Amino acid sequence: AQKVTQAQTEISVVEKEDVTLDCVYETRDTTYYLFWYKQPPSGELVFLIRRNSFDEQNEISGRYSWNFQKSTSSFNFTITASQVVDSAVYFCALSDHNQGGKLIFGQGTELSVKP
Amino acid sequence: GAGVSQTPSNKVTEKGKYVELRCDPISGHTALYWYRQSLGQGPEFLIYFQGTGAADDSGLPNDRFFAVRPEGSVSTLKIQRTERGDSAVYLCASSPGTGVYEQYFGPGTRLTVT
Repeated sequence: AQKVTQAQTEISVVEKEDVTLDCVYETRDTTYYLFWYKQPPSGELVFLIRRNSFDEQNEISGRYSWNFQKSTSSFNFTITASQVVDSAVYFCALSDHNQGGKLIFGQGTELSVKP
Repeated sequence: GAGVSQTPSNKVTEKGKYVELRCDPISGHTALYWYRQSLGQGPEFLIYFQGTGAADDSGLPNDRFFAVRPEGSVSTLKIQRTERGDSAVYLCASSPGTGVYEQYFGPGTRLTVT
């Protein structure tokens, strides 16, 4: 069965702190994809990244970075030098190769960045 | 270009009534997905379409829920005999195909059943 666990329900940091959001997944498939989405207070989900199971290279995009480790079934997301605009709910999601692209989401982590 | 649009943005209905929620995907996107998001939870998959046909409706909670996409573009999610437990935000997303592409989400329809 597929499952995504985001154990951190809420995180609060002060601006300019680094913060890591954890994501652990379960799947029996050997080919799968992992995603992170951001849901700001306005409510619309915004795509951040997609990673396939064969690519364990870490990725950096500006202040965002992602650490994918198959050995621990984790796909963690780090924001460096956080800003107030980073305040949102962040969702990790999983899609198996043969599932037509449907996403299995975690519960989400609500990040609050205070000035 | 235009993103995914959903109408209405808010819908309040009485228990037992019928509702229709509409999704307009990004032009040219062949895959369309419906999800339901309850307060404080992640979105839950309901159904997806590839073209006009429902390729996977395994997430529909019961037979009161039904969705169509007759011309392979606009989709309508239909809920019969609404119950208070149906209250949630209904999200629609589209993608270029049913390979594993990023999905573009609409703003959602907040359904409240009183």
